[in-house]
Amino acid sequence: KQEVTQIPAALSVPEGENLVLNCSFTDSAIYNLQWFRQDPGKGLTSLLLIQSSQREQTSGRLNASLDKSSGRSTLYIAASQPGDSATYLCAANDYKLSFGAGTTVTVRA
Amino acid sequence: NAGVTQTPKFQVLKTGQSMTLQCAQDMNHEYMSWYRQDPGMGLRLIHYSVGAGITDQGEVPNGYNVSRSTTEDFPLRLLSAAPSQTSVYFCASSPTSGGTYEQYFGPGTRLTVT
Repeated sequence: KQEVTQIPAALSVPEGENLVLNCSFTDSAIYNLQWFRQDPGKGLTSLLLIQSSQREQTSGRLNASLDKSSGRSTLYIAASQPGDSATYLCAANDYKLSFGAGTTVTVRA
Repeated sequence: NAGVTQTPKFQVLKTGQSMTLQCAQDMNHEYMSWYRQDPGMGLRLIHYSVGAGITDQGEVPNGYNVSRSTTEDFPLRLLSAAPSQTSVYFCASSPTSGGTYEQYFGPGTRLTVT
């Protein structure tokens, strides 16, 4: 059974600092890994999808890396802004999505 | 495209009542699934469908039924609601069941069972 862990559970940083969010998974036989953003009381917004054959994926200030052999993915958010405050979820897709519990980020103005 | 839509947005039920959570997508996606999200936990898969007429159980299927008569719709039925089913429910869809495509999520249904 795929187990996905996200560390830390919560993070508070001053505006402008770079964010590093970690995701680990136990079974490396995945098709892809997806990062989501969730605002309080809202649904999930897909941020980045990294296929198993890729090492990283970038979108604007966001960069996600994937190391299948070690079962790790990292989401980097450059020059954080208060609007980046949200919960970030990662999900490993081995035919079904297995989610981590998320990292709640607070960016202080 | 409306994407993935869910109704209702909020629902309060009494223990023992039944209800159906609706999910629809207009992207002609084969794969649809239902998750529940509880505080401090990641989303957990309840049921999924790889196409019309085909459904299967996920990680936490007890107390829930599904059917898929059309490509567009994937309703989730609570047969006899229990307080343990208080949760936020999300429906998702993906072009195929092959696992290489991203999944698109609906806005969720907040269910409270008293």
